[in-house]
Amino acid sequence: ETGVTQTPRHLVMGMTNKKSLKCEQHLGHNAMYWYKQSAKKPLELMFVYSLEERVENNSVPSRFSPECPNSSHLFLHLHTLQPEDSALYLCASSQELGILKGYEQYFGPGTRLTVT
Amino acid sequence: DQQVKQNSPSLSVQEGRISILNCDYTNSMFDYFLWYKKYPAEGPTFLISISSIKDKNEDGRFTVFLNKSAKHLSLHIVPSQPGDSAVYFCAASEWANTGTASKLTFGTGTRLQVTL
Repeated sequence: ETGVTQTPRHLVMGMTNKKSLKCEQHLGHNAMYWYKQSAKKPLELMFVYSLEERVENNSVPSRFSPECPNSSHLFLHLHTLQPEDSALYLCASSQELGILKGYEQYFGPGTRLTVT
Repeated sequence: DQQVKQNSPSLSVQEGRISILNCDYTNSMFDYFLWYKKYPAEGPTFLISISSIKDKNEDGRFTVFLNKSAKHLSLHIVPSQPGDSAVYFCAASEWANTGTASKLTFGTGTRLQVTL
């Protein structure tokens, strides 16, 4: 496996379900991100982990819960979602170099989530 | 309020001609800009970037121009090829970001169709 992988690629869940999205990066990067892409909207940054610590949480509802157990893996735990949460969820990674920031983020293919 | 705007949702160009994709931003603190390309069912892939200390960066058929006074950047693709057909996202970041991870602000994207 190379690059950034995401599973599952498609997910349909009811509003009372609990599910998790998984992301794995094989690039040796030290920062990982979750983005949400809704129709006709820009990518919205949800969470940022750098060196396995959460450094950004853009006012995301608590029904989304991230987890970063190590620098290669990132999860997004989903619980009691709403239909408006249906979107493409993208994971990305980058190499942070201290003051020399690694701006180039590498994206996975995304998980298409539908909440019924 | 969208800080990065791509006002053209779509663009159609004939093969061999120049494609020009535009992007405007409102945040004067942005000092690093990137273009990403996205094919259906794939995540965005990094294409080219430019720092605010430059006004032009070229990589093969792709050139990005930055006009800081107008808060405007553009991506030129010459010559355009059918394989360039994709959605192109403009993204921006602040060099002086606090924290350790890069935060990108994306536009809504422009769908480029290169016709034969």
